Amino acid sequence: AQSVTQLDSQVPVFEEAPVELRCNYSSSVSVYLFWYVQYPNQGLQLLLKYLSGSTLVKGINGFEAEFNKSQTSFHLRKPSVHISDTAEYFCAGAMDSRGTSYGKLTFGQGTILTVHP
Amino acid sequence: KAGVTQTPRYLIKTRGQQVTLSCSPISGHRSVSWYQQTPGQGLQFLFEYFSETQRNKGNFPGRFSGRQFSNSRSEMNVSTLELGDSALYLCASSLAGGGLSPLHFGNGTRLTVT
Repeated sequence: AQSVTQLDSQVPVFEEAPVELRCNYSSSVSVYLFWYVQYPNQGLQLLLKYLSGSTLVKGINGFEAEFNKSQTSFHLRKPSVHISDTAEYFCAGAMDSRGTSYGKLTFGQGTILTVHP
Repeated sequence: KAGVTQTPRYLIKTRGQQVTLSCSPISGHRSVSWYQQTPGQGLQFLFEYFSETQRNKGNFPGRFSGRQFSNSRSEMNVSTLELGDSALYLCASSLAGGGLSPLHFGNGTRLTVT
């Protein structure tokens, strides 16, 4: 079965501290991985994507993620967070045996990041 | 470039009624996908349309249906509403809808069924 697991439902952190949001995936076929952020009463905004190539992916707002095939992980990191980073973050994967999933992403359950002053 | 536009933003319906939600994709995007987001089940894929054809479908009952028009705009319909259909419904568009083509989401329609 194809699945995406976010290991932490909530992550509290102080402003200017580093943060890592953990994501593991399970798939035996080609996989494309994404991180999205959702602010209250809004849709999902794409932070970054891994399609192929370099395993270190840089995204918007200073976020980056590393694709680790041996550990089937795609953890999101930011070296110094701001109050404005408080939001819910979703890891998602597009994967099926045909190599394309026609609009279907499998999402993790989300991690609520709360940045305290 | 304008983003994905969903209308209306909020809807309140009663059980047994039906509802239609609308989605206008980013200009040039031909794929439109729909998702249901609830606190208990998270984000779940409903279906995807490309060039007016449904190419992919999630595990939802037949009460959930959709269509896409020649200008790529899409509508989603839910008939015989149940309390459990209360959710945020998100539309996403992409160039081609495959895994290589990231999804861009709208702000959603919040449906409340009473």
